[in-house]
Amino acid sequence: GAVVSQHPSRVICKSGTSVKIECRSLDFQATTMFWYRQFPKKSLMLMATSNEGSKATYEQGVEKDKFLINHASLTLSTLTVTSAHPEDSSFYICSAKRVDTQYFGPGTRLTVL
Amino acid sequence: KNEVEQSPQNLTAQEGEFITINCSYSVGISALHWLQQHPGGGIVSLFMLSSGKKKHGRLIATINIQEKHSSLHITASHPRDSAVYICAVTGNQFYFGTGTSLTVIP
Repeated sequence: GAVVSQHPSRVICKSGTSVKIECRSLDFQATTMFWYRQFPKKSLMLMATSNEGSKATYEQGVEKDKFLINHASLTLSTLTVTSAHPEDSSFYICSAKRVDTQYFGPGTRLTVL
Repeated sequence: KNEVEQSPQNLTAQEGEFITINCSYSVGISALHWLQQHPGGGIVSLFMLSSGKKKHGRLIATINIQEKHSSLHITASHPRDSAVYICAVTGNQFYFGTGTSLTVIP
């Protein structure tokens, strides 16, 4: 089946630094990828839709200057958390759509100290 | 109030039991998804439904558009089914339920 990878799986950083998370579709091309954040109590929140070759579409309440998304190729989207703060600590997940199925990455756990 | 409500929040079952997880939503949707999240965090998409019923192995998902309700059934449950099951709907935007934590005891 289709596989989506994320890197890194875990990252710990100091407050004020920037962190880049990669999402790759390993065996298919994805013109659209999605980024989610998982809050406590297991709920997921869609942060943005990443479109290859164009600007990402951010959901209401998500700061585009804080969470930079770049979809440079049909197999790679990156999420950069800029000037990270402890409240940005969370589990970040990406997905890529192939036909009518979403394939999810394994997630990246970000801890900001 | 959440746009997507799941019940129960936690569920413990004996191996072999028939399990039902329910999802109700309050928004107009184009599709409903059932997702499975294992303890490590990885998420697998189990079903995407816009009407009727789908079956995959021991898993069955149904949706009633008029009642805005979906159910996920697991037949002959097994300890490896232990995971968090998340209902999500897509309409104008993505809405997620808070998940149902399932533990199947041998």
